[in-house]
This record gives sequence, C-alpha cells and structure tokens, in this order.
Amino acid sequence: QKEVEQNSGPLSVPEGAIASLNCTYSDRVSQSFFWYRQYSGKSPELIMSIYSNGDKEDGRFTAQLNKASQYVSLLIRDSQPSDSATYLCAVTDTGRRALTFGSGTRLQVQP
Amino acid sequence: GAVVSQHPSRVICKSGTSVKIECRSLDFQATTMFWYRQFPKQSLMLMATSNEGSKATYEQGVEKDKFLINHASLTLSTLTVTSAHPEDSSFYICSAEGDRNTGELFFGEGSRLTVL
Repeated sequence: QKEVEQNSGPLSVPEGAIASLNCTYSDRVSQSFFWYRQYSGKSPELIMSIYSNGDKEDGRFTAQLNKASQYVSLLIRDSQPSDSATYLCAVTDTGRRALTFGSGTRLQVQP
Repeated sequence: GAVVSQHPSRVICKSGTSVKIECRSLDFQATTMFWYRQFPKQSLMLMATSNEGSKATYEQGVEKDKFLINHASLTLSTLTVTSAHPEDSSFYICSAEGDRNTGELFFGEGSRLTVL
C-alpha cells in the first residue's frame, strides 16, 4: 500500500525560529509533491508544490525534494504564531489522479 | 487559485436520514472531483473520484450504495450520505483538479456532518 509518512508532532518552535517539517513516501514514481496547511476545523490550503529535486523557495517557505531518498520537507523561516496549524504532505498516486495525504504534523509556534 | 465552494458547512441529522452535500467549482469547469473524509486528528482519506457524466470510482472499503455521488455537470458534484449513522459523523471535503498535469487540488470549505 502506498504510504505517506509524517511525524504527528506536535513540533514546538519559538517565534522567529525555523520550523522543519519532514515527509517520506513509498511510491518511487510519484511526480508531484505538495504541502498543505490545515487550521483546526478548516479544509486544507495549498502552501507549496514541488516537482523536481532540490529546493523551491516562496517567501518564508522552502520546500526540499529528494526523490532518491523519497523525502520531501518544508522549512518555515521566521515562524509566526499564525503559522500554528497542521501541515499535510501530499503526493500524487500513480494509480489514480487523487492525492495521497500523510497524517500531518502539528506545528505550534510559541510567542 | 481556483475556487471550490461546498455546502452546507455544518449539518446535524438524525440517524437513518439522508444528507446531501454539494460541491461547486465557481470559476472553472471540473470534469473530475474528489471526495475525501477526515476523522478527528486523522488525515484525509479518499472516498471516491467523481467523473462528470459517468459513474464515480469508489475506494476500497467505501460503500457506493451508502455514499451516492452524482456529477451531472462540469461545475457540480454531490455526495449523499444515505441512512446516516453516528459512525458516519466526519468532516467531508471535496476537491477539484487545478492542474491535471501536476495533480494540484483545490479544496472546498468542507462539511462537518454530525449524526445523532
């Protein structure tokens, strides 16, 4: 069974620090990778997408992809209390067009 | 990004009744929509893929006669939970493909179903 694994957390970081969120996936042929943020009681919102090995930066967010290691990460610089949420890693599933989601990592940014 | 609207956001019903949830793509045509379910503190689990003009494709373990999906137009998919039971209480979220080449999904606001 194809899986996406994340540490459930909570990951607690002080305000202004860098938060590092990690994700591993089992399907070697997955091509697209996404990070979604989900606030409690709300639906997920897209934060970052990455399709090729290396780093991709967008404002305070950097996604890193290593297909050989089947690993994708999200770095949040200058973390803010408003970043406190659950971050979901999602991967394309070659068997179907929907995304497969990890269980999410809960991030807590302490003021 | 594309806008997906879902309604109702919250619904409470009695056991044995049926509930319909609507998912609309507001500014684009969605030939394919996906229905997910999320239990508390768990991740999103795909229930079914809704295809415009054809039958939905259900994931293993999802009862197609219980969770009826209709995708009659390019902008509307509906999920009907029939004969709802307390164990069906969950957060139901629809999504539509933003880019078929990349697999990016845009999500509706979600519908919180509580079955008494």
